Amino acid sequence: QKEVEQNSGPLSVPEGAIASLNCTYSDRGSQSFFWYRQYSGKSPELIMSIYSNGDKEDGRFTAQLNKASQYVSLLIRDSQPSDSATYLCAVLQSTGKLIFGQGTELSVKP
Amino acid sequence: DVKVTQSSRYLVKRTGEKVFLECVQDMDHENMFWYRQDPGLGLRLIYFSYDVKMKEKGDIPEGYSVSREKKERFSLILESASTNQTSMYLCASSWRGSGANVLTFGAGSRLTVL
Repeated sequence: QKEVEQNSGPLSVPEGAIASLNCTYSDRGSQSFFWYRQYSGKSPELIMSIYSNGDKEDGRFTAQLNKASQYVSLLIRDSQPSDSATYLCAVLQSTGKLIFGQGTELSVKP
Repeated sequence: DVKVTQSSRYLVKRTGEKVFLECVQDMDHENMFWYRQDPGLGLRLIYFSYDVKMKEKGDIPEGYSVSREKKERFSLILESASTNQTSMYLCASSWRGSGANVLTFGAGSRLTVL
């Protein structure tokens, strides 16, 4: 089992829809979770962090964390073509290591 | 605007050549990291440093070394480049403490080894 796993996609959604990106992790002691966005040919940039169970909202973005089920998700409401990018999930394990998933490619079609 | 600057965006080298990848940050961050990014494998940590002259191996250090002589500069060295080191290399930095895992990345250096 991979330490941090994401569907590689591509995930294709129409403009205005909700995009749902999922990430599972293996280390039950993980405490901090991050979502990075990476446009094609660019470097990753942090868009959300979440540390406790439940939802955290920031504009059109909502991060959801369920530690019991060991998954974290990112919802993008009212998806725009400018949201088309690869989304990387990163998990801070109990060992102190930050592990990245392989990323999910999102394509928002006009 | 805070920055992590990688000196070379694209490099083409031959097998056996020594390669230097330079990274400079202007945020006074204590922590600096080198990752490589390959399709389907995500970001993998090569080396990191929490202080000047300090270095720690990441998950895939073989074939690489690093140097951190000044706080703002972290260099990745490929002593003898091989074709399996063809990749995108990303430098990142972060604060110590609670912000340690909030990384700011450079633009990346795409290395091709022929």
